[in-house]
Amino acid sequence: DQQVKQNSPSLSVQEGRISILNCDYTNSMFDYFLWYKKYPAEGPTFLISISSIKDKNEDGRFTVFLNKSAKHLSLHIVPSQPGDSAVYFCAASGIQGAQKLVFGQGTRLTINP
Amino acid sequence: DTAVSQTPKYLVTQMGNDKSIKCEQNLGHDTMYWYKQDSKKFLKIMFSYNNKELIINETVPNRFSPKSPDKAHLNLHINSLELGDSAVYFCASSSRQEGYTEAFFGQGTRLTVV
Repeated sequence: DQQVKQNSPSLSVQEGRISILNCDYTNSMFDYFLWYKKYPAEGPTFLISISSIKDKNEDGRFTVFLNKSAKHLSLHIVPSQPGDSAVYFCAASGIQGAQKLVFGQGTRLTINP
Repeated sequence: DTAVSQTPKYLVTQMGNDKSIKCEQNLGHDTMYWYKQDSKKFLKIMFSYNNKELIINETVPNRFSPKSPDKAHLNLHINSLELGDSAVYFCASSSRQEGYTEAFFGQGTRLTVV
């Protein structure tokens, strides 16, 4: 019963272009969503989040879009840089907030020079 | 000045042994967690402690026992280790006062049971 799914295990993008990472969820009780970035042998690092009362949140090169009716969110990175190469995890939480995060299985993003 | 630090980073041990992983956070957070990343790379919550009180206990074998001596520390003790316990274990912390808006993770402990 995987409640948060990232269906693309990997994504390869040219430097300077837009990277779009997708995430779907099944639990309609989720009301807060986060993206984490993870480098090898390190812990996940918080990137950006969005509450269910919004449909977009932007922070510099990173924008998260939320489509509640489709139970879908996406992370846009523009322009993509080589340092963005990492595994990106989508996470969701309900009324307990980040106290209980449910993670997707991650998407490995590779930015090619 | 590491925010969430856990030791050791790597742990190789034999089946049947008992081992502990330590975690400390210097962020002043009141809530700490243990997450497990299995071989399929899924990150799943195991435990959550708020001010030394157990809040979340997912379906985890009782061979796993978290201990929180104070709100800055959450250790994980594992008895009678099994091959299936091999995974990366992440400690994390967050703040109830900040609305649990995000969790900060440690660098992980890669446990290998042989």
